[in-house]
Amino acid sequence: EDKVVQSPLSLVVHEGDTVTLNCSYEVTNFRSLLWYKQEKKAPTFLFMLTSSGIEKKSGRLSSILDKKELFSILNITATQTGDSAVYLCAVEARGSNYKLTFGKGTLLTVNP
Amino acid sequence: GAGVSQTPSNKVTEKGKYVELRCDPISGHTALYWYRQSLGQGPEFLIYFQGTGAADDSGLPNDRFFAVRPEGSVSTLKIQRTERGDSAVYLCASSLKGTGPDTQYFGPGTRLTVL
Repeated sequence: EDKVVQSPLSLVVHEGDTVTLNCSYEVTNFRSLLWYKQEKKAPTFLFMLTSSGIEKKSGRLSSILDKKELFSILNITATQTGDSAVYLCAVEARGSNYKLTFGKGTLLTVNP
Repeated sequence: GAGVSQTPSNKVTEKGKYVELRCDPISGHTALYWYRQSLGQGPEFLIYFQGTGAADDSGLPNDRFFAVRPEGSVSTLKIQRTERGDSAVYLCASSLKGTGPDTQYFGPGTRLTVL
């Protein structure tokens, strides 16, 4: 059974701090790893990672995948209160009909 | 363009009742997924449609749950004889073709509460 573990489960920081969120996985026939941001109900797509060692970047957010050690990190620099959300990590396996297996998420709270 | 939409946004029902939840995917997306998210958990897969057919319904918890997508666009998730344990947020996602690394875009969900 595919498994995704995120850590920490929750995190409280001050505006301007840098945070690193972790995602480790066990999946047969890995295809891709995705990060989503969930503020109210709808998860919003952030990144899709398929290759090791290639950093994806969007503004203050960046992510990288290590397929040898089976983990990914999501970095947020110069955090803002608007970054407060649950960050979800999910993996997709080949032959799985493209369904995503999610971790429980990391609840990030950025205080002013 | 419009994203994935879901109606209703909230549904409160009594134990034993029947409910229908609707999903309108992004126009042109052939793949559609339903997930269920309980409090403090990540979304869990329920069913996947490619076009009109259910390509994978392995996540449906039991035969009280059923979903259709008759014209390959809008989908309806149907739950019979609802139980309190069915209370959750039901999320729908769509992707362009459902083949290869293909980003799934989520709707805002329907929060179902079974009293």
